[in-house]
Amino acid sequence: AQSVTQLDSQVPVFEEAPVELRCNYSSSVSVYLFWYVQYPNQGLQLLLKYLSGSTLVESINGFEAEFNKSQTSFHLRKPSVHISDTAEYFCAVSGKSGGSNYKLTFGKGTLLTVNP
Amino acid sequence: DGGITQSPKYLFRKEGQNVTLSCEQNLNHDAMYWYRQDPGQGLRLIYYSQIVNDFQKGDIAEGYSVSREKKESFPLTVTSAQKNPTAFYLCASSIQYRPNYGYTFGSGTRLTVV
Repeated sequence: AQSVTQLDSQVPVFEEAPVELRCNYSSSVSVYLFWYVQYPNQGLQLLLKYLSGSTLVESINGFEAEFNKSQTSFHLRKPSVHISDTAEYFCAVSGKSGGSNYKLTFGKGTLLTVNP
Repeated sequence: DGGITQSPKYLFRKEGQNVTLSCEQNLNHDAMYWYRQDPGQGLRLIYYSQIVNDFQKGDIAEGYSVSREKKESFPLTVTSAQKNPTAFYLCASSIQYRPNYGYTFGSGTRLTVV
């Protein structure tokens, strides 16, 4: 079985401030890790993912996440946020092999609110 | 462009009525999923299907039913047995046995009981 814990349900920040959204996971198998973003009344969109190789992955809009195997974490960071980054962010994990492990397991989400 | 289409975007249901939410994909994905989203509770899996004419219950299947007669379509029926159906419903799809691709999501249907 696998699980995802997003440590903060809400994160308020001011525009141009840095932000970190925390994600920890547990799994008995090797994993793939994902961050999704959801804007109000929309579906989820893939923001970035870690598959293998370099532990630091980046998105096209300035977010990055670092896979830390020893701490079983995949925290999402952005050095300077914009108002338009206001959204809910979901961390997700899937196993690299085996039956039900293929399904994505989602965290409960972190609502990022960027204030002017 | 390939993607997932959910319809309608907003749906109102009277108590005691069944209602069906549509989900259609043209991505040629084998697997499809239905999630329910409530504030502060994240995504909860209702049903999923890995192949045509087969589907499995998720974590909160009671009061819901699905069918998978075509690869492209995975409609969800919210029955009168679902006591608290007001929620945001999301449909997703994925490539079977390729977890590295993740899921593609539709834009959701907001169901309100009136």
